[in-house]
Amino acid sequence: EAGVAQSPRYKIIEKRQSVAFWCNPISGHATLYWYQQILGQGPKLLIQFQNNGVVDDSQLPKDRFSAERLKGVDSTLKIQPAKLEDSAVYLCASSLDGLGANVLTFGAGSRLTVL
Amino acid sequence: QQQVKQSPQSLIVQKGGISIINCAYENTAFDYFPWYQQFPGKGPALLIAIRPDVSEKKEGRFTISFNKSAKQFSLHIMDSQPGDSATYFCAASVRAAGNKLTFGGGTRVLVKP
Repeated sequence: EAGVAQSPRYKIIEKRQSVAFWCNPISGHATLYWYQQILGQGPKLLIQFQNNGVVDDSQLPKDRFSAERLKGVDSTLKIQPAKLEDSAVYLCASSLDGLGANVLTFGAGSRLTVL
Repeated sequence: QQQVKQSPQSLIVQKGGISIINCAYENTAFDYFPWYQQFPGKGPALLIAIRPDVSEKKEGRFTISFNKSAKQFSLHIMDSQPGDSATYFCAASVRAAGNKLTFGGGTRVLVKP
């Protein structure tokens, strides 16, 4: 099966600019996650969707980050305005559903550098 | 609050040796403990996972040991190979609460030939 697709792979922006990342999960996967991975650290959950509804966005900095999953398939994560500390890899993951011990499959990530 | 602590941050092992990575957790509601392997430029990939009703799980050269009373679990990589050189993350989740993974800080493993 095709994996989780993410784009762009790399993005360099100036602080206070905006950026958007796109994710296409594995076909049929109802649950989609966005994680932030700062260099040298483990991934940290930003938001979880179940179909097109938000399950958990408690760790999302809502003053600058937003995410949506229209039609319960693709998802977009936006940062506006970006700060230096937003430099990280943004990982998208999907699972069959958000229950039990379903395996999370991660994409390769989108690396953001904020100058 | 970091809920999963991982050590060491890095380790170097000779080919054929054993790599051991340890994790400790605080949240007693966690009931699923996977290990992920990440190569540079790639996303993490599931390596092996364990539930708290068993004390050990082995898949090939990879073994998880789990100590519920101590709230600790570890990954053993036997007969380490250069291709095992990667960053390893332990994680934990509550299966009934959306299976959101809380990751440890990661261990960079280098296997020398």
